Amino acid sequence: EIVLTQSPASLSLSPGERATLSCRASESVSFLAWYQQKPGQAPRLLIYDISKRAPGIPGRFSGGGSGTDFTLTISSLEPEDFAVYHCQQRSDWLYSFGPGTRLEIK
Amino acid sequence: QVQLQESGPGLVEPSETLSLTCTVSGASVSSNEWGWIRQPPGKGLEWIAYIYHNGRTVYNPSLKSRVSISVDTSKNQFYLKLTSVTAADTAVYFCARQKGMYEYHFDYWGQGTLVPVSS
Repeated sequence: EIVLTQSPASLSLSPGERATLSCRASESVSFLAWYQQKPGQAPRLLIYDISKRAPGIPGRFSGGGSGTDFTLTISSLEPEDFAVYHCQQRSDWLYSFGPGTRLEIK
Repeated sequence: QVQLQESGPGLVEPSETLSLTCTVSGASVSSNEWGWIRQPPGKGLEWIAYIYHNGRTVYNPSLKSRVSISVDTSKNQFYLKLTSVTAADTAVYFCARQKGMYEYHFDYWGQGTLVPVSS
């Protein structure tokens, strides 16, 4: 079973700044997605297949990486971007999620 | 617009069976793949199970002995059963859609339903 770790656990930034979130897998994965979750809401798909933006997701969100190391970058933070971000992989029929990164307003 | 809505009991007693229903609109349960994910209060997401449109099921190995997922195409619903629950099963339970057999992510989610396990 593949374990995902995310870093940092929390990140404090100001609107307009660039955010870089990391997700590391215990083994090489080919399919990785990122979700945004706000309090009391369901997760929202942002990025799938490592770098493809989901429909309706703004261009300031981008995903990258390969093998075991992946990043989600938000180029210029908007007030509505402060939330928890989860990475998710699927390999050998099984899914797993990372523990999440909390992005807070500085 | 695809919409999913979870429903189930407000409370489950320890050792009992948790049963949840996900009602789907805007898509057919016979044409996509469907899953359950949960989130204990204040914690991360945990994938539970998914079911293919052809009925094949896949379970999280850590829950496999206690969980089952099924579909009713006539009602456009799918279901989760989790047996022998304990306080550790207290969580918000989400149902979600995996768009296709080779789409390895969940694109639509229900709002989630909190299921406390307590006597």
